[in-house]
Amino acid sequence: AQRVTQPEKLLSVFKGAPVELKCNYSYSGSPELFWYVQYSRQRLQLLLRHISRESIKGFTADLNKGETSFHLKKPFAQEEDSAMYYCALSPTQGGSEKLVFGKGTKLTVNP
Amino acid sequence: DVKVTQSSRYLVKRTGEKVFLECVQDMDHENMFWYRQDPGLGLRLIYFSYDVKMKEKGDIPEGYSVSREKKERFSLILESASTNQTSMYLCASSWGRDEQYFGPGTRLTVT
Repeated sequence: AQRVTQPEKLLSVFKGAPVELKCNYSYSGSPELFWYVQYSRQRLQLLLRHISRESIKGFTADLNKGETSFHLKKPFAQEEDSAMYYCALSPTQGGSEKLVFGKGTKLTVNP
Repeated sequence: DVKVTQSSRYLVKRTGEKVFLECVQDMDHENMFWYRQDPGLGLRLIYFSYDVKMKEKGDIPEGYSVSREKKERFSLILESASTNQTSMYLCASSWGRDEQYFGPGTRLTVT
């Protein structure tokens, strides 16, 4: 079965500090992985996906197949990064177009 | 811009009532989804539709049904609302395995 684990429900850092939001997955094949973000009073939206290998708003995420992880990182956190972050997995086998979401991490960046 | 709209932002219903939540997308997406979003539980898929009149159960379909008579519209139906269905309901749509676009959400309270 596919599973996405985000071990931290809450994460609090100070402005300018590095931040890492952890995501581990369980899937027998090669998944597609995503990070979605929900800012206060805004709709959930895609932040980045591993196949694009982009840096969005200073965030990067590297797929580590050996450790089955897809951690989200930013070297210098900003107050506007405070939001709810969800890691999600799309199985590439079986024809399903559904996403499996983790339970989310609420990031607070303090001034 | 992809637009996903949901019929209500806030809804209050009584136990036992039949509740309809409507979702409309304007980008001709083939896939549409209904999720529940609860604190500490993340996003859980209720139902998924990959074409008109086609549907697939998600992780928590009990107590819910769906209808997709037109490509742009996906309805979630609570046949007999119960207090444990008090939640935030999110609709999303996508092309294939592409990014999912989310609506603003409907916060449903069942009293």
